[in-house]
Amino acid sequence: QQQVKQSPQSLIVQKGGISIINCAYENTAFDYFPWYQQFPGKGPALLIAIRPDVSEKKEGRFTISFNKSAKQFSLHIMDSQPGDSATYFCAARKSGSARQLTFGSGTQLTVLP
Amino acid sequence: GAGVSQTPSNKVTEKGKYVELRCDPISGHTALYWYRQSLGQGPEFLIYFQGTGAADDSGLPNDRFFAVRPEGSVSTLKIQRTERGDSAVYLCASSPTWGNTGELFFGEGSRLTVL
Repeated sequence: QQQVKQSPQSLIVQKGGISIINCAYENTAFDYFPWYQQFPGKGPALLIAIRPDVSEKKEGRFTISFNKSAKQFSLHIMDSQPGDSATYFCAARKSGSARQLTFGSGTQLTVLP
Repeated sequence: GAGVSQTPSNKVTEKGKYVELRCDPISGHTALYWYRQSLGQGPEFLIYFQGTGAADDSGLPNDRFFAVRPEGSVSTLKIQRTERGDSAVYLCASSPTWGNTGELFFGEGSRLTVL
């Protein structure tokens, strides 16, 4: 059962453009929603995260928008740069004793120079 | 080291063989996780340790998979009677104490290829 659905699978944008990646979840027990960035041959690294009590969080060029009623959240990358080319994963974590993350299937972002 | 260290970085084995993958977490991190990442997919949870004990092993696919963390630091993922379907990158992650922000610090992974 895929608990976190991510789209699109791949995305190509021009330098300076806006990259938007969407995720939807099913389990209302999720209480923490991070985005991870992964470069080839490397492990995922935390980019930005949000909790469901806020609708938006911004860190530099990266913004998470969160819609609790729709059970959806998205990552916006403003002024996309070639160095942003990587695979992005949304994830979610359940409240309570279990602390593991459930990841989406990933979006391969390519930013053209 | 400063980050999570995983060895070997690459392992090629034959079907039916036994494999051990090692993870050395960030010093002082009490929580340790193993994930498996197949090509083109997101990491899939396998097992979580808090200290020496496996707090949640619900992600282990079957009894051929086993992991230990005897002294609460280094962990070893053990795979018996490997199958071609076990081929993947096995990621280890660690995090600080229980009440942390939730950030996982991942290693670069061990790529397992079963021929």
